[in-house]
Amino acid sequence: GENVEQHPSTLSVQEGDSAVIKCTYSDSASNYFPWYKQELGKRPQLIIDIRSNVGEKKDQRIAVTLNKTAKHFSLHITETQPEDSAVYFCAASTYNDMRFGAGTRLTVKP
Amino acid sequence: DAGVTQSPTHLIKTRGQQVTLRCSPKSGHDTVSWYQQALGQGPQFIFQYYEEEERQRGNFPDRFSGHQFPNYSSELNVNALLLGDSALYLCASSLVEGFSYEQYFGPGTRLTVT
Repeated sequence: GENVEQHPSTLSVQEGDSAVIKCTYSDSASNYFPWYKQELGKRPQLIIDIRSNVGEKKDQRIAVTLNKTAKHFSLHITETQPEDSAVYFCAASTYNDMRFGAGTRLTVKP
Repeated sequence: DAGVTQSPTHLIKTRGQQVTLRCSPKSGHDTVSWYQQALGQGPQFIFQYYEEEERQRGNFPDRFSGHQFPNYSSELNVNALLLGDSALYLCASSLVEGFSYEQYFGPGTRLTVT
């Protein structure tokens, strides 16, 4: 089955700096790659996603890149703010099977 | 527009007991997936239900079973509970039509096995 690895496990940045989280996946059949943000005690919230026919997608301060050949994808957050502090999960999915990375705890220091 | 709901919010059970968790999908969604999230880890895929049938299953034993009803709501059943089953159980709903992959999560049920 699919195996998703996520790095780093923790990330601390100063407010205003950029943050990058990287994931790799193993199953070449995966064709959908979402990113979720989970705050303490809350449900995962979809923040951005990308499909396999697209190399990059941007939504305001958040962008995701995908390299299908290398089987890796990344989340980029620019101009970080304290409210960006949370755990971020990447996932790789076929149509009916979504597998998650172990998560990255992002801390944005004011 | 109603989002994904789950019940109960919290549950405490004893080893060896059985538990049933419930999920109502987002309005308009027809597919429900279940995940187990242990503390400090990412969600682990248990299974997915569509048209009242299990469509895909993750690496979980047969003690984990499910059901989907005609109104698309779903139940997760766990038999012979182990201490290691303590976790947050999340359900997520999605829509088959248009090959929409987006999954929206419910608030979860926190299960504690003692």
